[in-house]
Amino acid sequence: NAGVMQNPRHLVRRRGQEARLRCSPMKGHSHVYWYRQLPEEGLKFMVYLQKENIIDESGMPKERFSAEFPKEGPSILRIQQVVRGDSAAYFCASSPGLGGSSYEQYFGPGTRLTVT
Amino acid sequence: AQSVSQHNHHVILSEAASLELGCNYSYGGTVNLFWYVQYPGQHLQLLLKYFSGDPLVKGIKGFEAEFIKSKFSFNLRKPSVQWSDTAEYFCAVGFQKLVFGTGTRLLVSP
Repeated sequence: NAGVMQNPRHLVRRRGQEARLRCSPMKGHSHVYWYRQLPEEGLKFMVYLQKENIIDESGMPKERFSAEFPKEGPSILRIQQVVRGDSAAYFCASSPGLGGSSYEQYFGPGTRLTVT
Repeated sequence: AQSVSQHNHHVILSEAASLELGCNYSYGGTVNLFWYVQYPGQHLQLLLKYFSGDPLVKGIKGFEAEFIKSKFSFNLRKPSVQWSDTAEYFCAVGFQKLVFGTGTRLLVSP
């Protein structure tokens, strides 16, 4: 039973390039969350998605960042025109759709983005 | 807005010592509370959770946490730590949108 998958695990981009981070939720999970962890800080919520819907994007920066979770395929977090301040670890989590355990989030290994 | 405070950023213990990591949150309503652990080189794993009911919650690997509503606290405890408990521990609160504390790095010396 595969857990949450994220790729790539490490991503290096030059300033101004685009970064695409992928997340495949656990089997049977229909909710996906993205978090960012800056050095020496805790995880910060970015966005919560269900299939084809953004439910809560209150933690997303207003510009350059977008996320999607299409009907088919992984969830994508896209960062356009990256800057050095975007260097961080980006974690994806997933949870079941309904029921008591729907609030349990299972995390992937993260993608470490380095902007040079 | 919800916030979570973990008071100890670094804790060093010897094996067999008892552990208590503090976690306080600010939120007036019903909350879900979590402790996650991140072992070196691994991803976050759910250690235990509190949704409702018995405020003393038992998790994996001998960990437990007590929800004290009047103190807005959800402290993590383990009576006797092992070297393998060396990890970073995160307290979190929320429903779909989790708010995390800054984490506590625990080092257990053999």
